[in-house]
Amino acid sequence: GAVVSQHPSWVICKSGTSVKIECRSLDFQATTMFWYRQFPKQSLMLMATSNEGSKATYEQGVEKDKFLINHASLTLSTLTVTSAHPEDSSFYICSARLRQGLLWYFGPGTRLTVL
Amino acid sequence: GEDVEQSLFLSVREGDSSVINCTYTDSSSTYLYWYKQEPGAGLQLLTYIFSNMDMKQDQRLTVLLNKKDKHLSLRIADTQTGDSAIYFCAESQDSSYKLIFGSGTRLLVRP
Repeated sequence: GAVVSQHPSWVICKSGTSVKIECRSLDFQATTMFWYRQFPKQSLMLMATSNEGSKATYEQGVEKDKFLINHASLTLSTLTVTSAHPEDSSFYICSARLRQGLLWYFGPGTRLTVL
Repeated sequence: GEDVEQSLFLSVREGDSSVINCTYTDSSSTYLYWYKQEPGAGLQLLTYIFSNMDMKQDQRLTVLLNKKDKHLSLRIADTQTGDSAIYFCAESQDSSYKLIFGSGTRLLVRP
């Protein structure tokens, strides 16, 4: 199956700093990538949809100025958590969808801990 | 609105069958999926079913769909300790790009 990678796999940062997470589709082109957040023992909550070459679409309640998404190419989307605070600590997972496909492929996740 | 619900926990003995249930509310759901998540890892697609199907079998996995009751189940035959994980059902529609997840069922397989 298709492979999606994320980098870094875990990060610890100080409160107030910004953190960038990369999501790459390794063997296919993804016009659409999705960013999810998962708190401990909870389900995945969709944060935003990242479209190549255009602005991301954010879900209700997600601050677009805090969670900056860039989808500069068909194989790379980045999520930047700006001015991170301890409540932003979570597991962030990206997924990518093949053109016209019905299958989503998920990255291994990035665990963010904000001190 | 869209809502997908699952029971939170299931415990079975190794070698027995496991049945994980899921209900959804959106009758326009087109595709339904089962994902597996091991601790600290991303999601692994196990199987999926179109809404016009009743059943799909793939090796030890059997998916049953009751569209009238909006009920989806995943049966794992001969459950192994390596099957211990969280299982998520999810649904999507032709008209939507979103994948909506259930709350997840934690499966514990006892030796």
